[in-house]
Amino acid sequence: GEDVEQSLFLSVREGDSSVINCTYTDSSSTYLYWYKQEPGAGLQLLTYIFSNMDMKQDQRLTVLLNKKDKHLSLRIADTQTGDSAIYFCAAGRGNYQLIWGAGTKLIIKP
Amino acid sequence: ETGVTQTPRHLVMGMTNKKSLKCEQHLGHNAMYWYKQSAKKPLELMFVYSLEERVENNSVPSRFSPECPNSSHLFLHLHTLQPEDSALYLCASSQVGAADTQYFGPGTRLTVL
Repeated sequence: GEDVEQSLFLSVREGDSSVINCTYTDSSSTYLYWYKQEPGAGLQLLTYIFSNMDMKQDQRLTVLLNKKDKHLSLRIADTQTGDSAIYFCAAGRGNYQLIWGAGTKLIIKP
Repeated sequence: ETGVTQTPRHLVMGMTNKKSLKCEQHLGHNAMYWYKQSAKKPLELMFVYSLEERVENNSVPSRFSPECPNSSHLFLHLHTLQPEDSALYLCASSQVGAADTQYFGPGTRLTVL
């Protein structure tokens, strides 16, 4: 079946940039999403990108999409302690089914 | 504020109990979802309702029974659960045709003893 893969952990220093990577297998994916989950909370939509785009920027967040390599990344500039969370990548075709990655836990070092 | 609320936030039940999880969305969406989130596993889609009709049921055991009385409310009825059903149950909603962007509630942490 289709798959989305992410590294399980990423550790960065406060103030540095964080780059969380994701690869997916479904070439028919129309939308690619990034969600954030803080401890004890549900998933919060951070941003999404259409497959016909290669970059989207929203304040400290930059999403890059390489459709040829089926690679998606989320860059968080000036990482803060409040960015500590698990970040999920998901791919969708617009038919209710999202294929989810296992999540990347972002650890911030002081 | 996510616009999707879930109650209760925590639930402990025995294997012979019957309980229900409730989800309400205040976003005017027309699709609602139940997901199961277990430790170290990807999110598992359980049920999807679109326009109050079930459109997806991913081989979920019959001890989980969904109900969608209207486009704003979704229930998950639980009976004779197993300890391996302990997990975070997340509800989400979306607007069909709007990139399927799903908005999540805070979840119900379920523990089955």
